[in-house]
Amino acid sequence: GAGVSQSPRYKVAKRGQDVALRCDPISGHVSLFWYQQALGQGPEFLTYFQNEAQLDKSGLPSDRFFAERPEGSVSTLKIQRTQQEDSAVYLCASSLDGIRDIQYFGAGTRLSVL
Amino acid sequence: GQQLNQSPQSMFIQEGEDVSMNCTSSSIFNTWLWYKQDPGEGPVLLIALYKAGELTSNGRLTAQFGITRKDSFLNISASIPSDVGIYFCAGEYNQAGTALIFGKGTTLSVSS
Repeated sequence: GAGVSQSPRYKVAKRGQDVALRCDPISGHVSLFWYQQALGQGPEFLTYFQNEAQLDKSGLPSDRFFAERPEGSVSTLKIQRTQQEDSAVYLCASSLDGIRDIQYFGAGTRLSVL
Repeated sequence: GQQLNQSPQSMFIQEGEDVSMNCTSSSIFNTWLWYKQDPGEGPVLLIALYKAGELTSNGRLTAQFGITRKDSFLNISASIPSDVGIYFCAGEYNQAGTALIFGKGTTLSVSS
């Protein structure tokens, strides 16, 4: 596709459920980023991939959060045993080659944990 | 940790007015970026600044990278209704560039 695609757009989960959020980056983009955006806040960095390698996961808030990009294109952010504080918009961004290139964002997945 | 202080938090202006917003940090940044986010969408890059003192324009938008590398401003001239949205500054603080830090945003409302 022309842009970064994220699915689902909306996800409602009961507390304790596991969720998986998908990101399809722009074709050919080497770098992929995940951000968490709480209501009324700016995006906060979670993790960064270059191809299939996860080079920085310093922003993941707990070990319940796990991200993968096994073939260097599509990425999945998994949250285990969801908590109410996990409710946020999860944004994915991709860039052509490296952190210094322009990051193009998807529309995000809005996660609501009840 | 790193923080960006963005102000004002919100602005209510009349169509045709000029707008100014800024971002400051206690830390030095290597890159300053300005994004706009519409409801239900991801942020879209407006302007990127890479050198201290750099002044860059993109149509009605003008942004500057502060000399101290700890601040940046964004000006919008002759605002129009489609300028409505949330404007975020973002900075890259790591020389290796492993993360962007975002401000909390300035919400702009334009009345016609």
